Amino acid sequence: QVQLAQSGAEVRKPGASVKVSCKVSGNSFTSYEINWVRQATGQGLEWMAWMNPKTGNTGFAQAFLGRLTVTRNISTTTVSMELSGLKSDDTAVYYCVGGADLNYWGQGTVVTVSS
Amino acid sequence: IVLTQSPATLSLSPGERATLSCRASQNIRNYLAWYQQKSGQAPRLLIFDASNRAIGIPARFSGSGSGTDFTLTISTLEPDDFAVYYCLGRHNGHQITFGPGTKVGLK
Repeated sequence: QVQLAQSGAEVRKPGASVKVSCKVSGNSFTSYEINWVRQATGQGLEWMAWMNPKTGNTGFAQAFLGRLTVTRNISTTTVSMELSGLKSDDTAVYYCVGGADLNYWGQGTVVTVSS
Repeated sequence: IVLTQSPATLSLSPGERATLSCRASQNIRNYLAWYQQKSGQAPRLLIFDASNRAIGIPARFSGSGSGTDFTLTISTLEPDDFAVYYCLGRHNGHQITFGPGTKVGLK
């Protein structure tokens, strides 16, 4: 079993960047791929990216190419995602999710983009 | 790929059977999962690889299908089952798409 603990809520202005971290514990850090999924209020789920923490390989949804970065820190067993060029419609809850079947969900991080 | 879920809303009573559909725009073999989400909570994995129940999921939840057409069935609705259900398809290796969701509400 794996536990995912995310960083706290963030508020940013349009055009800025935001970094959300996801601390992985409870099992080997390299055992589970990590995905990032977001959900705007009252809307559905949107997949953003994945990372293999063992190899560092990543993949991104077309909608985020060029403005989303996913990194890992093996020593702190943390995966982070950084979204740049923020717009108001990036306001959402951002989840890190572990496992190839997206079995294990973090608690979510609220990101608000507002001028 | 595009995943289409139907119906968008399902109004049922406890004890009834719920049948939810997810259709993929192209063949995704059995790379289909189902999630349940309640208000204010993160989604919960119910079914993976089209028909396998996740750990701890009651037997009243079952999944079927392959290729482009998939079904989630809740055999006898419990009060705790009223929620939004999403399908997820995996394609091109690690690319993932979610369906728009089906809300199962109380009649």
